[in-house]
Amino acid sequence: AQRVTQPEKLLSVFKGAPVELKCNYSYSGSPELFWYVQYSRQRLQLLLRHISRESIKGFTADLNKGETSFHLKKPFAQEEDSAMYYCALSVGTSYDKVIFGPGTSLSVIP
Amino acid sequence: NAGVTQTPKFQVLKTGQSMTLQCAQDMNHNSMYWYRQDPGMGLRLIYYSASEGTTDKGEVPNGYNVSRLNKREFSLRLESAAPSQTSVYFCASSGLQGGPQHFGDGTRLSIL
Repeated sequence: AQRVTQPEKLLSVFKGAPVELKCNYSYSGSPELFWYVQYSRQRLQLLLRHISRESIKGFTADLNKGETSFHLKKPFAQEEDSAMYYCALSVGTSYDKVIFGPGTSLSVIP
Repeated sequence: NAGVTQTPKFQVLKTGQSMTLQCAQDMNHNSMYWYRQDPGMGLRLIYYSASEGTTDKGEVPNGYNVSRLNKREFSLRLESAAPSQTSVYFCASSGLQGGPQHFGDGTRLSIL
C-alpha cells in the first residue's frame, strides 16, 4: 500500500539551530516526492520536490531509496520557518494520485 | 492572481442536508483534486480528476460525489451530510503529471 508517514506531529527548535523534519514513504514504484508548507493564514504551497534537487528558503531534501525516506533539512532555523509541513508522494502510472503525510508543525523559538 | 478559487469559504449544515463545494482554476491545468484536512491526519485525497471527463476515487471517497464540469471546474457534492464530514476541504490543481499542486484557500465545513 502507498503511504507517507511523518513521525513528529510537533517539532520545536531554537532560532539558529539545525532542523530536520522526517518523512518516510512506502511505494513499490519509482517515487515522486514533494514537501509542501502552510504558513499561518496562507495557502498550502509547494516548498520543494526531489526531482529538482534544489534548495528553497535554505531547505533541502534528499531522497534515500534504500531507507525510503525524504527528510527535510535546514542548517539554521529562522522564526519565519514556523509553519505546518507536509510530505507528499505522487503515485500511479501517470503520477496523478497524490498522497500526503499527516504533517509536522514546526515552531522556531526566538 | 486567482489561481484556484473555492466557494464558499465557510458553511454550516445540518445532518442530512446536501451541499456542493465549488472549485475553479484559471491556470489551464489538466488535473484537479479534492482533499479533506483533519487534525492529526493531514490531507486525505477524496477524489481526483486527471483530465476533463475523468474522475477517480482517492483514499476517502465514501459519502462524496464529484463532477468535472469542464477543464476549469471540479465540484464536490455531499448528498446527505454527516457530522463525520466536518472538516476543512481543499481543492488543488496540477498542470503536469506528477507535478506540483496549486491549492485553494479551503472551505471550512461544519455539520451539526
